[in-house]
Amino acid sequence: DQQVKQNSPSLSVQEGRISILNCDYTNSMFDYFLWYKKYPAEGPTFLISISSIKDKNEDGRFTVFLNKSAKHLSLHIVPSQPGDSAVYFCAASAREYGNKLVFGAGTILRVKS
Amino acid sequence: DADVTQTPRNRITKTGKRIMLECSQTKGHDRMYWYRQDPGLGLRLIYYSFDVKDINKGEISDGYSVSRQAQAKFSLSLESAIPNQTALYFCATSDMTGYTFGSGTRLTVV
Repeated sequence: DQQVKQNSPSLSVQEGRISILNCDYTNSMFDYFLWYKKYPAEGPTFLISISSIKDKNEDGRFTVFLNKSAKHLSLHIVPSQPGDSAVYFCAASAREYGNKLVFGAGTILRVKS
Repeated sequence: DADVTQTPRNRITKTGKRIMLECSQTKGHDRMYWYRQDPGLGLRLIYYSFDVKDINKGEISDGYSVSRQAQAKFSLSLESAIPNQTALYFCATSDMTGYTFGSGTRLTVV
């Protein structure tokens, strides 16, 4: 069973609009959540993270929201740009598990100009 | 030079062959990892090492082995490759500030 789920394999958004990528998790031990971005032929790169003691973290155009009771997090990108087109992975970790990352399946974001 | 270097970048091998994927890092981190990426499954952990003398299985270690030759080097071996090991393989290193991934090795087993 996947502990971190990204149920939307792909998302297409117009340039300038908001992109919302969703992620659900099942393990209540997770205490840190991250989003990674991956371009073709490159490794994943860190985008933004949030600790379980917070419900929102913002960094420029990127905001991550965490709803612990629903075991759900989302990444908002506003405004979306063509260069944001990539695969986005949600990941979670727990201190009890040595902070190893558990990844979701990824969502392909296409931003159309 | 990249912080995490993986070799080879691409490899095609035949079923039953032994193959080694190599990873080296210049970050000075103790922790290193091997993941594989498959469409629809994301990145799954194969093996990890928290220091030179520490090796641990991840969620999908069957058919793989690893060697931590030094703090900077962590290699992944497929003793007898099979077609369902065709995937994109990533090495990573981490410390308290986060993870750094290599650019990946695309392995095809025919």
